[in-house]
Amino acid sequence: ILNVEQSPQSLHVQEGDSTNFTCSFPSSNFYALHWYRWETAKSPEALFVMTLNGDEKKKGRISATLNTKEGYSYLYIKGSQPEDSATYLCALGNQAGTALIFGKGTTLSVSS
Amino acid sequence: NAGVMQNPRHLVRRRGQEARLRCSPMKGHSHVYWYRQLPEEGLKFMVYLQKENIIDESGMPKERFSAEFPKEGPSILRIQQVVRGDSAAYFCASSPRREETQYFGPGTRLLVL
Repeated sequence: ILNVEQSPQSLHVQEGDSTNFTCSFPSSNFYALHWYRWETAKSPEALFVMTLNGDEKKKGRISATLNTKEGYSYLYIKGSQPEDSATYLCALGNQAGTALIFGKGTTLSVSS
Repeated sequence: NAGVMQNPRHLVRRRGQEARLRCSPMKGHSHVYWYRQLPEEGLKFMVYLQKENIIDESGMPKERFSAEFPKEGPSILRIQQVVRGDSAAYFCASSPRREETQYFGPGTRLLVL
């Protein structure tokens, strides 16, 4: 059974702080890794899809790295802003490409 | 290009009734996925459909739940004889091709009284 773990569960930072979260997964069962940003009462928003070991993706102040050999991905937010407050979800794509297996997310709160 | 649409956004049913949840994928997307979020849980995969076909239903409960994605019209997730444990948020996602980014709708919050 694929298991995706995210840490920390929640995080509170001050505006301007940089932060990062971790997503861990079984390295032997890797096909693709997805990051989503989910604001309360909205749809989960796709941030990145990564498939290759060593992949690095960037979108504005948010970036992500992938290490498939050791089974982890990091999401970084540089200079956090209050509008970054959301739950960040990591999901593993299964072999058939038919489903995403989600972690429980890291909830970020940024105060001004 | 409108995003994934789901309706209703909120649905209240009494035990034993039927719940029908609708999902209209993004334009040009023929792949639809349904996920469920139970209270205090993460998103869990239920079923994957490609126009008129169920491809993977490994996450769907064997009884009372069914899904379809007809040639015309939205995808429907149907729950018969609902029980309190079915209370959850049900999310639909769509993609243009299998294995590509899944775009999510806003969800339907089902409450069973």
